[in-house]
Amino acid sequence: GQQVMQIPQYQHVQEGEDFTTYCNSSTTLSNIQWYKQRPGGHPVFLIQLVKSGEVKKQKRLTFQFGEAKKNSSLHITATQTTDVGTYFCAGGARMNTGFQKLVFGTGTRLLVSP
Amino acid sequence: DTGVSQDPRHKITKRGQNVTFRCDPISEHNRLYWYRQTLGQGPEFLTYFQNEAQLEKSRLLSDRFSAERPKGSFSTLEIQRTEQGDSAMYLCASNRLRTGRGNTEAFFGQGTRLTVV
Repeated sequence: GQQVMQIPQYQHVQEGEDFTTYCNSSTTLSNIQWYKQRPGGHPVFLIQLVKSGEVKKQKRLTFQFGEAKKNSSLHITATQTTDVGTYFCAGGARMNTGFQKLVFGTGTRLLVSP
Repeated sequence: DTGVSQDPRHKITKRGQNVTFRCDPISEHNRLYWYRQTLGQGPEFLTYFQNEAQLEKSRLLSDRFSAERPKGSFSTLEIQRTEQGDSAMYLCASNRLRTGRGNTEAFFGQGTRLTVV
């Protein structure tokens, strides 16, 4: 079945350093969503990308969708301690039934030291 | 509060017992999803409803699992004859389908943490 992998699994940075997580799907995606999950919390939606090569920015966060719509990245500039959490990509995959299932990646856990 | 709510937040049960969880989605959302998340992993898709119809079910969902959404509003997930491997966080999410525009963002509930002892 479809798999969505993320690297790295874990990253520990000093506050102010940049951070990037990469997401790769085994199949072409209809769209990709990114979620953040704080320790002990639930996933919270960050953004959705739909078009091939699309780039979107949210303050210090930059999201990119690959040209082949099989990969994506999230880059955080100048991390802050509030960025701590696990970042998941979730690929939209259209099923034969027409249903578009969200397949979550394995996640990248970010730890930021002050 | 108009978010997705799940009940209970925590459930400890003995192996072999049945458990039922409830999810109340955001009221105008026609799509409802159940996911399972174990420690250090991403949410795994279990099943999905559009209104009251269960349209997709993961092969992860054995015949001990059943989900309903009888009136297209709240949903229940029942696990019969629980096993230790069922211990996980069970997450419910909801969103709207916008015709021609695919999925909107999914809003997750706080989850029900199940521990089978």
